[in-house]
Amino acid sequence: AQKVTQAQTEISVVEKEDVTLDCVYETRDTTYYLFWYKQPPSGELVFLIRRNSFDEQNEISGRYSWNFQKSTSSFNFTITASQVVDSAVYFCARKNNAGNMLTFGGGTRLMVKP
Amino acid sequence: GAGVSQSPRYKVAKRGQDVALRCDPISGHVSLFWYQQALGQGPEFLTYFQNEAQLDKSGLPSDRFFAERPEGSVSTLKIQRTQQEDSAVYLCASSLGTGLNNSPLHFGNGTRLTVT
Repeated sequence: AQKVTQAQTEISVVEKEDVTLDCVYETRDTTYYLFWYKQPPSGELVFLIRRNSFDEQNEISGRYSWNFQKSTSSFNFTITASQVVDSAVYFCARKNNAGNMLTFGGGTRLMVKP
Repeated sequence: GAGVSQSPRYKVAKRGQDVALRCDPISGHVSLFWYQQALGQGPEFLTYFQNEAQLDKSGLPSDRFFAERPEGSVSTLKIQRTQQEDSAVYLCASSLGTGLNNSPLHFGNGTRLTVT
């Protein structure tokens, strides 16, 4: 199976610190899509970003930024100046061009302490 | 509705009982997905509907699992003769289009199933 690996199971930071969540994926496809989702305690998965494999430009959205490195099959997520409300489990996921199945990583639990 | 709605929010079943989990997708959404999320793990794909057609059921773990979406809107995931290993959160998601390349997936809050 083509896996998505989030090596950090849990990260704890103090408010205002920057934090990077790692994601490494496996794929045999040239065209694929990568996603990040946030899962707060309520349980709902909240969509954060979708990137396709042909767009390697890094993206910034407010305090969030994503670093896509095709050469290392990584799609890392950085939160700048973290806040308590950022505390959640974050999932990285991959989808091949064909089909509609998302393959999720195991998630990283981020705890931001005041 | 405003979002994907799932019911019940929590379900406790005794081993061997049948359960039915309901999903109301966002109105007008063509695609509907079911995922299973075990404690401390990422969601795993179960099945996919495009309108009323079940196009992919490769993730259903056994023939005890059955899903339907007869009118292309509400979907039900049924688990027969529940086992303890079925304990998980069952997530439903919908998207506007027929694929995820252009329309994001919207998830519900899930149904937490506990089999005792």
